[in-house]
Amino acid sequence: GQNIDQPTEMTATEGAIVQINCTYQTSGFNGLFWYQQHAGEAPTFLSYNVLDGLEEKGRFSSFLSRSKGYSYLLLKELQMKDSASYLCAVLDSNYQLIWGAGTKLIIKP
Amino acid sequence: GAVVSQHPSWVICKSGTSVKIECRSLDFQATTMFWYRQFPKQSLMLMATSNEGSKATYEQGVEKDKFLINHASLTLSTLTVTSAHPEDSSFYICSARGGGGDSYEQYFGPGTRLTVT
Repeated sequence: GQNIDQPTEMTATEGAIVQINCTYQTSGFNGLFWYQQHAGEAPTFLSYNVLDGLEEKGRFSSFLSRSKGYSYLLLKELQMKDSASYLCAVLDSNYQLIWGAGTKLIIKP
Repeated sequence: GAVVSQHPSWVICKSGTSVKIECRSLDFQATTMFWYRQFPKQSLMLMATSNEGSKATYEQGVEKDKFLINHASLTLSTLTVTSAHPEDSSFYICSARGGGGDSYEQYFGPGTRLTVT
């Protein structure tokens, strides 16, 4: 079966750094996405990794290791507005997105 | 960037009636559109995938006769919830994917909150 695991909830302090991990087991791999979803809103795109390594985009970075079936999203200089759910999704061999359950990130002042 | 709209943003309907939700890609042609449902504090659940001009592919457990999907053009897909019941109350989100290049990113609409009384 296909499976994507990420922590259910994480808490971090404003101004700090947090790393949200995602491990996956899917039938094929054509890339991994990270989305941000605020409560009551639709997801918004954060990053896409298809090759191993780190992709940096401002305060957010995403890392991928295909051999380990592992990715993480790194958020730096946390702001209160970063409180949201972060969804990991893998594009499988049929180019269908397989979604993780999401990680709820709580930022405390 | 690619924009996807949904209409209505929210709707309240009585049990037994039908509700139609529209999903439009505003500045690109969406060869594939996806319909998701999300209950409070739960993750996205894919309901169905539709390709323009063909029948939608429904996920296991989703009643195709209850959730009618039409993808008649490259910019419009509709989801009709027929004979709605209170348990159908949820946040319905569509997403669209263009057919060009190597981009498999899904662009999400803002969602439609359905309340069935």
